[in-house]
Amino acid sequence: SYELTQPPSVSVSPGQTASITCSGHKLGDKYACWYQQKPGQSPVLVIYQDRKRPSGIPERFSGSNSGNTATLTISGTQAMDEADYYCQAWDSSTVVFGGGTKLTVL
Amino acid sequence: QVQLQESGPGLVKPSETLSLICSVSGYSISSGYYWGWIRQPPGKGLEWIGNIDHGGGTHYNASLKSRLVISVDTSKNQFSLKLTSVTAADTAVYYCARAPDTSGWGYNYWGQGALVPVSS
Repeated sequence: SYELTQPPSVSVSPGQTASITCSGHKLGDKYACWYQQKPGQSPVLVIYQDRKRPSGIPERFSGSNSGNTATLTISGTQAMDEADYYCQAWDSSTVVFGGGTKLTVL
Repeated sequence: QVQLQESGPGLVKPSETLSLICSVSGYSISSGYYWGWIRQPPGKGLEWIGNIDHGGGTHYNASLKSRLVISVDTSKNQFSLKLTSVTAADTAVYYCARAPDTSGWGYNYWGQGALVPVSS
């Protein structure tokens, strides 16, 4: 079965750029999307089709996907961006989630 | 505004069947899109359970397939989940969600989630 691997945690200082990676075999041949989840809340889609932002998502969120790695980048990270982030891909009409990355802003 | 709302029993006993309904408002399921179930054990990550489309076509997580049925009732604008022979490992927050397609989009609308403990 297809697997996606994320680092368990990433730390960033306020105002700096945070990068969260998601690795999978030939992931660049698929589309990746990303979710933000804050404690006690449902996940929110922040990136789809590798790099597109749904309406209402700030421009500081961006994405890329090439080779075996998709990357979520948060520019000018704010305290409110502290959350768990999950990547997701479709594999033959089934869904695969990464294990999640806890982003700490300190 | 599209809204999804999970409903079901607050507690399920081991070996019994877990049943949940997702009620959709603001969009007619019969118009299209893909409707999914995702769960999250306490303190852990997201696990995809399965999807159904407006015509009743389904795709399931292979690890749950033998215990799982997802169905749709377009007349009530609802879709449902039945998971049989549950164990404590099935304790989780269960989310229903909507995806515009099965290739590039993710789930852009989610319910608030329903915590289902499995315990005697």
